[in-house]
Amino acid sequence: NAGVMQNPRHLVRRRGQEARLRCSPMKGHSHVYWYRQLPEEGLKFMVYLQKENIIDESGMPKERFSAEFPKEGPSILRIQQVVRGDSAAYFCASSPISQGEQYFGPGTRLTVT
Amino acid sequence: GQQVMQIPQYQHVQEGEDFTTYCNSSTTLSNIQWYKQRPGGHPVFLIQLVKSGEVKKQKRLTFQFGEAKKNSSLHITATQTTDVGTYFCAGRNNQFYFGTGTSLTVIP
Repeated sequence: NAGVMQNPRHLVRRRGQEARLRCSPMKGHSHVYWYRQLPEEGLKFMVYLQKENIIDESGMPKERFSAEFPKEGPSILRIQQVVRGDSAAYFCASSPISQGEQYFGPGTRLTVT
Repeated sequence: GQQVMQIPQYQHVQEGEDFTTYCNSSTTLSNIQWYKQRPGGHPVFLIQLVKSGEVKKQKRLTFQFGEAKKNSSLHITATQTTDVGTYFCAGRNNQFYFGTGTSLTVIP
């Protein structure tokens, strides 16, 4: 059973471009979480999705950020018009149930130049 | 708003010494999870505690959930160099709130 997959592992974008981060949960997992981690800091919750539904997006900035988890395919975290402050590691985690243990992907390291 | 704080932020220990990190929430939690993140790696699930006053052990690691379900601790006995990493607690109250983490350095 493959673990949580994230791609790309590293992403470099210029200010103003769009960043698309993909997350494929573990097989059988329908709950997906996105977190942001700045260097030397903890994980900050961004959004919690179940198939085709956003359950909780209270941690996500109101502008420029969006997330989806379509019926088919990976979950996508989209950042429009990136700024330098968006540079961080973005981790996706999946879980088989809503309060279960979370399995993290390797993360996408976004650098905005 | 909801906050989960961990202390200490950093801890350096000699190999063989014990280590404890404490996790405190401003509100009651339905459960708490612990994760370990190695430098450059991703968080890996260690354990989940659900019941008030619950204590669980994994070899040299002992996890405790407070009676009021607002705090938790992780204790490592006789640390080894393989214990190096950052330990996060994650409290659940509608959503998961990750603690600030404790970075453990073990000096051989």
